[in-house]
Amino acid sequence: DTGVSQDPRHKITKRGQNVTFRCDPISEHNRLYWYRQTLGQGPEFLTYFQNEAQLEKSRLLSDRFSAERPKGSFSTLEIQRTEQGDSAMYLCASSLSGRANTGELFFGEGSRLTVL
Amino acid sequence: AQSVSQHNHHVILSEAASLELGCNYSYGGTVNLFWYVQYPGQHLQLLLKYFSGDPLVKGIKGFEAEFIKSKFSFNLRKPSVQWSDTAEYFCAVGNSGGYQKVTFGIGTKLQVIP
Repeated sequence: DTGVSQDPRHKITKRGQNVTFRCDPISEHNRLYWYRQTLGQGPEFLTYFQNEAQLEKSRLLSDRFSAERPKGSFSTLEIQRTEQGDSAMYLCASSLSGRANTGELFFGEGSRLTVL
Repeated sequence: AQSVSQHNHHVILSEAASLELGCNYSYGGTVNLFWYVQYPGQHLQLLLKYFSGDPLVKGIKGFEAEFIKSKFSFNLRKPSVQWSDTAEYFCAVGNSGGYQKVTFGIGTKLQVIP
């Protein structure tokens, strides 16, 4: 499968622990997005990368959240000192840019976080 | 800031019934509009999109949507639903510009009864 892959698919952790999620976008896509989805809500934008540069961060992304895309390929999203309110599905999406950009976001299946 | 409002949160239809899901957006500039679908156990995928031109756009699986600029609306329609259309549908708006920051509505769960 050459789509967007996310790991792990499920993570259960205790409050106060740190967690890290990984996203591998479609290989030729230079844009990468992180979204968060809670029950009964649509995906909420967290942050966006063009290659390795993080170009926008939502106010939802508190200081406990950090995202990286060190070589412009895979990305990680780390949550430090997790809180119960962090429980959600974390979605990664990728897309092309420039003239090849059709506007379509290609989503992974998400990483579900449960904070006890 | 852009925002999206979906009117129906949970819709139940019998097979062969017609479907219309409402979507309104707010944004001050030129927008790109999308409907995404999430089938049970699957990832979000694009159903159809509007960038410019003909305001009536057709997507996969017989779905279509009409962009009405004066009403800031982008309603999704299908003349005859099937059980396999059971899914959650998300309307989304993207800013037309250097990059697409896409804002999603809260979604509509469609249940089609055989």
